[in-house]
Order: sequence, then structure tokens, then C-alpha cells
Amino acid sequence: AQSVTQLGSHVSVSEGALVLLRCNYSSSVPPYLFWYVQYPNQGLQLLLKYTSAATLVKGINGFEAEFKKSETSFHLTKPSAHMSDAAEYFCAVSAAGGTSYGKLTFGQGTILTVHP
Amino acid sequence: SQTIHQWPATLVQPVGSPLSLECTVEGTSNPNLYWYRQAAGRGLQLLFYSVGIGQISSEVPQNLSASRPQDRQFILSSKKLLLSDSGFYLCAWSSKTNEKLFFGSGTQLSVL
Repeated sequence: AQSVTQLGSHVSVSEGALVLLRCNYSSSVPPYLFWYVQYPNQGLQLLLKYTSAATLVKGINGFEAEFKKSETSFHLTKPSAHMSDAAEYFCAVSAAGGTSYGKLTFGQGTILTVHP
Repeated sequence: SQTIHQWPATLVQPVGSPLSLECTVEGTSNPNLYWYRQAAGRGLQLLFYSVGIGQISSEVPQNLSASRPQDRQFILSSKKLLLSDSGFYLCAWSSKTNEKLFFGSGTQLSVL
């Protein structure tokens, strides 16, 4: 069984400031980990994914995340926030490979607000 | 390139009425297909997934059902909607060999 906990349902930053969205996971098997972004009234778009290769994963729009097995964490960061980053972000986990493809367990989501 | 279409975008239905949401995928064959629901203030929950025509797996007990009459068509249905069925429904697909999910634009369902 797997679960995801996103710490903080709302995060607010100033434009140009560091973005840090926290995600902790629980998995009884080696996990695949994902960050998705959702803009208002739209579907989800993949930002980045960890699939047991490099622990520091770079995604689109300047985001990156680091897989830390000892801390069971997969926090999302961006050095400098942009107004267009305002959206809801979801962390997700699945069991690695095989018939688990696409069967993701999502966190509750974190709404990121960026102030000018 | 692959595309996923989901409709309608919004739907308001009375309690007890039937439901049919449709999703189609283009540009790929034999995809895995999924229905997720996002209730207000909550994360996404996997409702159904399908690895082939006529093959449906339900992840949670509920008032809804799913069908896959064609390879790239996935339908979410209900005979009688409940208030608790309100939410944002997302269709998604993935290939058999890649973990990346591609989502449709979603259907906002309000049951009144």
C-alpha cells in the first residue's frame, strides 16, 4: 500500500522567491514518484518524475525535486518563483513498473500563490 | 501526436438522474485508460482503470461504473446520481510501457 502526504495545503511566496513544496511518501515497494501541476479548470500536467535513476530530478518550467529515501521525501523546489507558477501542485506515488503503470496515489494538493 | 478528449467540460445534474461521461484517445493504440475524481478540497482518487477492451477494474466501491466498448474509448456512467458524486472527473491514459499519465481537461460535475 502507498500513501502521500503534502505538508501545507496553501503556500504563498513573492515573485522571485524560492518555492518549496513538501511531499512525503509511504510505500512498501520501490516507488515511482511524480509531481503534477494543475491550472484552474484544466487537467493535470506532469512536471517531473523519479523512476529510480538520478535522485535529483529536473522538470519543466525550472522545477526540480530530490528523492531522499532515508527521509521518504520528494520535495519540489524552484529557485525563483514566477507569477505563472501559481497553480495547484500534486505529489503522487506508484509502485515501480509493470501493471502499476498509471495507478497513482495522489496527495491532497498544495495551492501555490505568487505575489508580485 | 497523441491527444485525449473528454466531454462535457461542465455538467449540472439533479439527484437521481443518469450520467454518461465520455473520453477518447487519439494517436495511440492499446492504451491503459483511467478515471480519476477530484472532490472539493481533496486530492485525486483513482476510480477505474482499464488495460483493454471490456476489461475494467474498480478501485473503490461507489455509485459509478465504467465501460470500454472500443480500444480508445472510456465511459463513466451512473444510473442514479447522488449528491456525493459531485466533483471534477479526469480521464487519463498511459502506454503499457511508460509510467507517465496524460490527462484530459476534466469534467466539472455538480449534482443538485
